Amino acid sequence: NFLLTQPHSVSESPGKTVTISCTRSSGSFAYTYVQWYQQRPGSSPTTVIYENNLRPSGVPDRFSGSIDSSSNSASLTISGLKTEDEADYYCQSYDSSNRWVFGGGTKLTVL
Amino acid sequence: EVQLVESGGGLVQPGRSLRLSCAASGFTFGGYAMHWVRQAPGKGLEWVSGISWNTGSTGYADSVKGRFTISRDNAKNSLYLQMNSLRAEDTALYYCAKTTRQNYFDYWGQGTLVTVSS
Repeated sequence: NFLLTQPHSVSESPGKTVTISCTRSSGSFAYTYVQWYQQRPGSSPTTVIYENNLRPSGVPDRFSGSIDSSSNSASLTISGLKTEDEADYYCQSYDSSNRWVFGGGTKLTVL
Repeated sequence: EVQLVESGGGLVQPGRSLRLSCAASGFTFGGYAMHWVRQAPGKGLEWVSGISWNTGSTGYADSVKGRFTISRDNAKNSLYLQMNSLRAEDTALYYCAKTTRQNYFDYWGQGTLVTVSS
């Protein structure tokens, strides 16, 4: 199995751009997709990115995802930050047995 | 409108059992894989278990394998999680989640709280 490691927290000002990383401990993102979920306080998670870089309907294009094979990491980038983006963000992928793996989550503060 | 409503949570002693249910509506339940994801108080998300649309395939996290059993009844539009030999570390909010055909979660329930304590 593998771990997905995210920074515990990040903060940035409204209007700026922030990037949240998700590093895979072993194996490769080359063969499995990465999803990103947003969880606002007191709410259930919602998907903001699926299949590495696709946005579900309704998610603004301020949200984007990417994969860096050289560092075996995925990234979620949010541009034009708004206070409503303040939330916990989780990356997620799959292992070789098709078990789902979540990262530990990153608390985004928009101040 | 898609709705997922979990039930069956509560306070249970260590070593005892509990069965969670998830009532689904607003979509063709039998056409999609379903999962349970949990979140311990103040902690992150942890995948617990998943089941294919036709119950042909199930998967479990190592932390619950051998103790939890996922099942579904497509005729009743319901998902279940039988939890045996419960431990304090199983204390969490348990979410029912629906996947899309692209295999990501598109709908989540509000969760049902399981507290394992003597």
